[in-house]
Amino acid sequence: EAGVVQSPRYKIIEKKQPVAFWCNPISGHNTLYWYLQNLGQGPELLIRYENEEAVDDSQLPKDRFSAERLKGVDSTLKIQPAELGDSAVYLCASSPDDQRNEQFFGPGTRLTVL
Amino acid sequence: GEDVEQSLFLSVREGDSSVINCTYTDSSSTYLYWYKQEPGAGLQLLTYIFSNMDMKQDQRLTVLLNKKDKHLSLRIADTQTGDSAIYFCAERGGYSTLTFGKGTMLLVSP
Repeated sequence: EAGVVQSPRYKIIEKKQPVAFWCNPISGHNTLYWYLQNLGQGPELLIRYENEEAVDDSQLPKDRFSAERLKGVDSTLKIQPAELGDSAVYLCASSPDDQRNEQFFGPGTRLTVL
Repeated sequence: GEDVEQSLFLSVREGDSSVINCTYTDSSSTYLYWYKQEPGAGLQLLTYIFSNMDMKQDQRLTVLLNKKDKHLSLRIADTQTGDSAIYFCAERGGYSTLTFGKGTMLLVSP
């Protein structure tokens, strides 16, 4: 079974440029998460989807970040414009619909903003 | 708010046992998790424990939960160099949201 797929793995951009990250969750997983992981920190939730509905986006900085999961499968996370402080690893995870909430993580996209 | 605290670093010799500790604040946590992150990789779920349990063993891994003190520990028996990684404790609070600690870097020397 394929795991969570993310692309690109690495991205280097200049500040004020836009950037987008893509995630393909594990087949059959209805719940999808985007996390931000700063160096030396644990992941912090940005947004959680149940199918195509964003059910928790309280930590998403909506002035510059947006996300979508149009058909309830793949998802994209966009930053426009990027700032220096956005340099981090962006992790996508998915989980099946059960009480254990076992989340499976992708390898992440490492973003560097110059 | 919810908070999860971990010690930042642990160094052990190969073959010894490792014990990584974690404290959390949310008394309503239903599940608690241990994740492993190797360099350049995402997080891998190692094990979890339901809040009404006080111990869970899975091969070389033993999880102990003291719900009264809100303390969780992960013991790795016969630690190997391949166990070197960052270990994250996480609690599941309301709305299935996970709150992660900052991670404990485990270094296993030969």
